Amino acid sequence: GENVEQHPSTLSVQEGDSAVIKCTYSDSASNYFPWYKQELGKRPQLIIDIRSNVGEKKDQRIAVTLNKTAKHFSLHITETQPEDSAVYFCAALVIQGAQKLVFGQGTRLTINP
Amino acid sequence: EPEVTQTPSHQVTQMGQEVILRCVPISNHLYFYWYRQILGQKVEFLVSFYNNEISEKSEIFDDQFSVERPDGSNFTLKIRSTKLEDSAMYFCASSGHGLGEQYFGPGTRLTVT
Repeated sequence: GENVEQHPSTLSVQEGDSAVIKCTYSDSASNYFPWYKQELGKRPQLIIDIRSNVGEKKDQRIAVTLNKTAKHFSLHITETQPEDSAVYFCAALVIQGAQKLVFGQGTRLTINP
Repeated sequence: EPEVTQTPSHQVTQMGQEVILRCVPISNHLYFYWYRQILGQKVEFLVSFYNNEISEKSEIFDDQFSVERPDGSNFTLKIRSTKLEDSAMYFCASSGHGLGEQYFGPGTRLTVT
């Protein structure tokens, strides 16, 4: 089945710098890749997603890139702010049978003022 | 903006007891999911539900688990005889078309003692 690997597990950056989180997936049939932000004790919140027919998508300070050939996708956050501190999860949508999300292990991002 | 809601926010139960976790998906959504997250770990798929039946279930979703949509708005997860290892945060999610965006509820923290 689908396996999603996410790196790094923790990331600490200075406020204003950029942060990059990377994920790889194993199932070439997966075609939808969302990123969720989870603050402590809260629900995973969808922040950006990308479909396999697109290589890059941007929404203000966040962007996601997808390399289908290499089966990896990345989250880029520019001009980081303290409120960006959270755990970020990548996921891949498995489309065999019912669609289900397979999540990466998460990255704890800390923005240092 | 419509959101998925879940009750209760925290449930404490004794080992062997039955619990029912409740979810109200976004009203026009057709696909419903349960995921769980053990403290500090990634989000794991449990089950998907569409057209009043289970579409897919994971190996975690054994005979102790069941789901039901008892009316037009609620979606429930029942654990018949809880075990210590069932302690986790349980998230309900819903999707409009099953091909991508899944929106998560705030979760129910289940503690089995």
